[in-house]
Amino acid sequence: EDKVVQSPLSLVVHEGDTVTLNCSYEVTNFRSLLWYKQEKKAPTFLFMLTSSGIEKKSGRLSSILDKKELFSILNITATQTGDSAVYLCAPGGWTDKLIFGTGTRLQVFP
Amino acid sequence: DAGVIQSPRHEVTEMGQEVTLRCKPISGHNSLFWYRQTMMRGLELLIYFNNNVPIDDSGMPEDRFSAKMPNASFSTLKIQPSEPRDSAVYFCASKDSTSTDTQYFGPGTRLTVL
Repeated sequence: EDKVVQSPLSLVVHEGDTVTLNCSYEVTNFRSLLWYKQEKKAPTFLFMLTSSGIEKKSGRLSSILDKKELFSILNITATQTGDSAVYLCAPGGWTDKLIFGTGTRLQVFP
Repeated sequence: DAGVIQSPRHEVTEMGQEVTLRCKPISGHNSLFWYRQTMMRGLELLIYFNNNVPIDDSGMPEDRFSAKMPNASFSTLKIQPSEPRDSAVYFCASKDSTSTDTQYFGPGTRLTVL
């Protein structure tokens, strides 16, 4: 059965800190892994990863995939209060379906 | 470009009533997904369509739930009769399955069944 495990479940930091969010997965016929950010509304797309070892970056956020060890990490440097959200990891196979993890809740305090 | 459009944004109904949620995918997207999100169970896929055809409805909780996609620009999720345990946020998402795995989510419908 396909599964996704995200850790930690929750994280509380101060502005300026760097955080690392983890996602391990087991998905049949894996094709890609997506990261989403969810504030008090719909999930919004951050990254899609398909190849191992290639870092995707967008400003202070970056992500990398390890297809051999079946995990991905999402890094956020110099965190800001606006980064407070739930971060969802979603690997998918060749069926068009994404399997969403339960998410990591990040709270950034001033 | 308009994103995924859902209506209504909020729905409050009484147990036993029929509820219909609506979704308009992004123009040109050929895959549409219905999700349900609760605190206890997170984000769950209910059903998805490719080219208006239901592909996988294994996530539909029971016969009270049904979904249709009569054309490429419209889909409905119906609950009849509704129960308090159906209270959740229902999201619709769409993607262009020919070019990407990225799904784009609508704003969601918050359903409360009293």
